[in-house]
Amino acid sequence: DSGVTQTPKHLITATGQRVTLRCSPRSGDLSVYWYQQSLDQGLQFLIQYYNGEERAKGNILERFSAQQFPDLHSELNLSSLELGDSALYFCASSGQGSTKIGDGYTFGSGTRLTVV
Amino acid sequence: AQKVTQAQTEISVVEKEDVTLDCVYETRDTTYYLFWYKQPPSGELVFLIRRNSFDEQNEISGRYSWNFQKSTSSFNFTITASQVVDSAVYFCALSEDGGQGAQKLVFGQGTRLTINP
Repeated sequence: DSGVTQTPKHLITATGQRVTLRCSPRSGDLSVYWYQQSLDQGLQFLIQYYNGEERAKGNILERFSAQQFPDLHSELNLSSLELGDSALYFCASSGQGSTKIGDGYTFGSGTRLTVV
Repeated sequence: AQKVTQAQTEISVVEKEDVTLDCVYETRDTTYYLFWYKQPPSGELVFLIRRNSFDEQNEISGRYSWNFQKSTSSFNFTITASQVVDSAVYFCALSEDGGQGAQKLVFGQGTRLTINP
């Protein structure tokens, strides 16, 4: 157990629908990151939150949004889903309370999203 | 922009052979971190090593070793006496610091390693 918890592990939904992926970071970590792993794009950074605030944004579609709550858990919302959104979505946390780069990123086991 | 290149898409070897996975990176930062992750068939990303840009000492952990050379911007990973359980996709990654706490990892495309019995 890495200490980063992602739910659900698997999700199957239809095109046009909306889903929410949830992530609880490792205890003490203030930064949460979302990554998407698809067959054609590889592992892509989506977004980073630090202590509730957005800090970095990657190639995240406008149909996707995220937030980090006061208890530090984060949710990634995917709407108007398309077949191409099918992917493995990872959450990672870092920092052990700091934003020091390279402190180490711990990944959750991922949520496998299948859009049919 | 930062970039990580893993030129070897797939490698297949027979058990007990040594195998080296290549990783070449590009960055303008003077301070950066390099990582290797393992993704077994079960799908999770397993952290293997983190190396900062100021530490060029090679590292060995059991059958695993890493060779970091700033002069060639490479951070290669060698598995000695490979085992079937080493079969996985291996990712090299580079940390990018966008300032003010903004951070992300830039991943290579991964190398699928198959160890045949």
